Amino acid sequence: GAVVSQHPSWVICKSGTSVKIECRSLDFQATTMFWYRQFPKQSLMLMATSNEGSKATYEQGVEKDKFLINHASLTLSTLTVTSAHPEDSSFYICSARDRGRRPLHFGNGTRLTVT
Amino acid sequence: AQTVTQSQPEMSVQEAETVTLSCTYDTSESDYYLFWYKQPPSRQMILVIRQEAYKQQNATENRFSVNFQKAAKSFSLKISDSQLGDAAMYFCAYRRASYNQGGKLIFGQGTELSVKP
Repeated sequence: GAVVSQHPSWVICKSGTSVKIECRSLDFQATTMFWYRQFPKQSLMLMATSNEGSKATYEQGVEKDKFLINHASLTLSTLTVTSAHPEDSSFYICSARDRGRRPLHFGNGTRLTVT
Repeated sequence: AQTVTQSQPEMSVQEAETVTLSCTYDTSESDYYLFWYKQPPSRQMILVIRQEAYKQQNATENRFSVNFQKAAKSFSLKISDSQLGDAAMYFCAYRRASYNQGGKLIFGQGTELSVKP
């Protein structure tokens, strides 16, 4: 089956630093990738949609300069949290869509802790 | 804008019994997809069941079935013969059939299901 690999699975960084999260589709071409954020016991909130080779589309209220998304190839999208603050601590999940109409494939998520 | 509402933050069921999780949604679209996802403590998102809006027949996957009421915009999940491994957070989700917005999923608030032995 289709596999999406997300790395790292957890990361701790200091306030003010930047951290990059990778999302890779291992056995299919991901024309579109989605980045979600999830706080404990809460739902997944869509942050942005990225299409290969074009700029990401951010949801209302998401700072595009803080959460940089790059989708440079059909198998890789990255989310960079710049100048991280403790309030950015959360669980980030990516999902990817292939060219067909099959359901989205999800990565295993990244737990970010900013100290 | 489309919205998905799960009005049951928590549900509990006895092992081997049946439980129904509720979900309502709001959309002006006529063609769309509805999903139930399971998120266990590992936080991996697992697709449980999917329903195409144009299909009148309710989807079924082994012990999981849905009651899709298009006119009422209701999409409930029934879990039969509940097992301990069914304990998880369950999310109802909506997606437009067209890919104008890339096919993004809109999630409900989630229902945390516990299964008592």
